[in-house]
Amino acid sequence: GQNIDQPTEMTATEGAIVQINCTYQTSGFNGLFWYQQHAGEAPTFLSYNVLDGLEEKGRFSSFLSRSKGYSYLLLKELQMKDSASYLCAVKNSNYQLIWGAGTKLIIKP
Amino acid sequence: DVKVTQSSRYLVKRTGEKVFLECVQDMDHENMFWYRQDPGLGLRLIYFSYDVKMKEKGDIPEGYSVSREKKERFSLILESASTNQTSMYLCASSYPGEVEELFFGSGTQLSVL
Repeated sequence: GQNIDQPTEMTATEGAIVQINCTYQTSGFNGLFWYQQHAGEAPTFLSYNVLDGLEEKGRFSSFLSRSKGYSYLLLKELQMKDSASYLCAVKNSNYQLIWGAGTKLIIKP
Repeated sequence: DVKVTQSSRYLVKRTGEKVFLECVQDMDHENMFWYRQDPGLGLRLIYFSYDVKMKEKGDIPEGYSVSREKKERFSLILESASTNQTSMYLCASSYPGEVEELFFGSGTQLSVL
């Protein structure tokens, strides 16, 4: 089967750094996505990785290792507004998106 | 500002009722999708469409149908609602390309009693 694993919940402190991991087992690979979803709101696109390495976008960075089936989302200088769920999704060889259940990130002052 | 609009934020229906969920996008996107989101599960694809009048089954199409008569509008239909269809329904659209970033609507929380 195909599956995406990510921690259910994480807690971090305002101003700190947090790393949200995502491991995947899919039939082929055509890209990995991270989306942010605030409670009661629509998911919004954060990042896309298709090659190994780190993609940096402001306070957020996303890393991919295709050989390990692994990605992480790194959030720096955490702000209260970063409290949200973070969804990892992989596009497989059929260009279908396989979604993880999401990681709920709680930021404490 | 790009927008995907879902007609209802909250909906309460009775078992056996026919339910229509409407979604409209203003970005001229070819691709449109209907997902359901349940606690502890990843998003699950119900149906998608790559063009007007075209539809394809996703992972969980049973009990659902769709209609796409115009490019900007994609409707999800529950022919006879059941309690196990209580869920958050998310509509999304995208433009074909390498990345195909999804733009989501705010969702419809449907409760079937």
